[in-house]
Order: sequence, then C-alpha cells, then structure tokens
Amino acid sequence: QKEVEQDPGPLSVPEGAIVSLNCTYSNSAFQYFMWYRQYSRKGPELLMYTYSSGNKEDGRFTAQVDKSSKYISLFIRDSQPSDSATYLCAFWSGGYNKLIFGAGTRLAVHP
Amino acid sequence: DSGVTQTPKHLITATGQRVTLRCSPRSGDLSVYWYQQSLDQGLQFLIQYYNGEERAKGNILERFSAQQFPDLHSELNLSSLELGDSALYFCASNFYGASDTQYFGPGTRLTVL
Repeated sequence: QKEVEQDPGPLSVPEGAIVSLNCTYSNSAFQYFMWYRQYSRKGPELLMYTYSSGNKEDGRFTAQVDKSSKYISLFIRDSQPSDSATYLCAFWSGGYNKLIFGAGTRLAVHP
Repeated sequence: DSGVTQTPKHLITATGQRVTLRCSPRSGDLSVYWYQQSLDQGLQFLIQYYNGEERAKGNILERFSAQQFPDLHSELNLSSLELGDSALYFCASNFYGASDTQYFGPGTRLTVL
C-alpha cells in the first residue's frame, strides 16, 4: 500500500462548478496536511495548511481533514478557469522531517 | 513569486555529463530543500540543508550531491547523467527548517539526451 494515494484525475469541470479533490494516507504519524497548487511549468505554491481534523476555509477553498479515516479533501467553490492546475496533497511528520506528496490531480475548468 | 530563485531555467546535456543547478532561498530563510519531479515518480524529496549543514536525505542517488554555502544559496550537482535523470528539479526554502511549510522556486528543467 502506498503511503499516500491521490485521485489521479484528470478532472474537467465547467466554470462555476464545485470541485472535490481527495487524498488518503496510511501513516498515522502525519501531523500537518497541506494542499499545493502547481500551474504548468511552475513550482508548487502552498494553498492550504492545517494540522487538525475538521474544516478550514479560505475564500473559495475549503480544506477538510478526517484523521480517523486518514482522508483529506480540498473543495473549490465557484471554480474559475484560473483554477486550472495540478493540485498536490502533502503530508509532514516530525519523525520523517520531510514532505510526502501525492501524485497530483490535474484540474481543468472550462468557460 | 515565492522569492526563491533557480538557475538555469532549462538545461540540455548529454548522458555521462555533469551539471550544477543553483538555488537562492527567500531572504531570511535558512533551510533549502531539493526535489525532483518526473512524470512517473511525482515530486520526490532529495535532500535538505539547514544553515549550511545537511539536515535530511530522501531518495537522492549517489551520483547526486548538494551543498549550501555561507551566503545560504545552494547547489545541486548531478553527475554521470542518465536519460532517466531528465526531470524538473525544484528548490524550496523556509526559515525554521521544519518541513511543513515550504516555498518553491520555479524549477530547472533538465533534459538528458
């Protein structure tokens, strides 16, 4: 079993749709949960960061963590063409002292 | 713009050669991380330096090495290059050296022919 599994996509949605991106993980030691967005030919940029179970909202983005099920999600409301990118979930634990990334989900939002 | 700079943007070289990739962290950041991103392997952590000292190692090949200089910039050296080394190489930085929040540079695209 892989340490992190991310829905591969690609996802193609119309503008204005609600998008759900998901990752599961197997390592209970993960303490911090992140979502990075990566535009084509660019470096990943940190989008959301959380360390507890529950929801965290930032504008049109909501990060959800369920530690008991080892599942994290990123919701994008009112999706825009500018949201078209690859989204990477990432996990960190002090024991590893490194970020573990999911394989990424490519999202395309069409007008 | 994350504030992390990487040079060169693109590098094309031949098998067996050696190249050096350069990274300047955000102003004030002490820690630098190197990653390799390929289509089949995703984003893989290679190595971390904190204030000039190696802090953590990931899936870094013996043919690869890195260092962080007193001015905190870092270089990743790739030698005896193989076709499979073709990838995007990213540098990231943060202040504390705890890996949780990292700021990525624009990357260097390496093509080995």
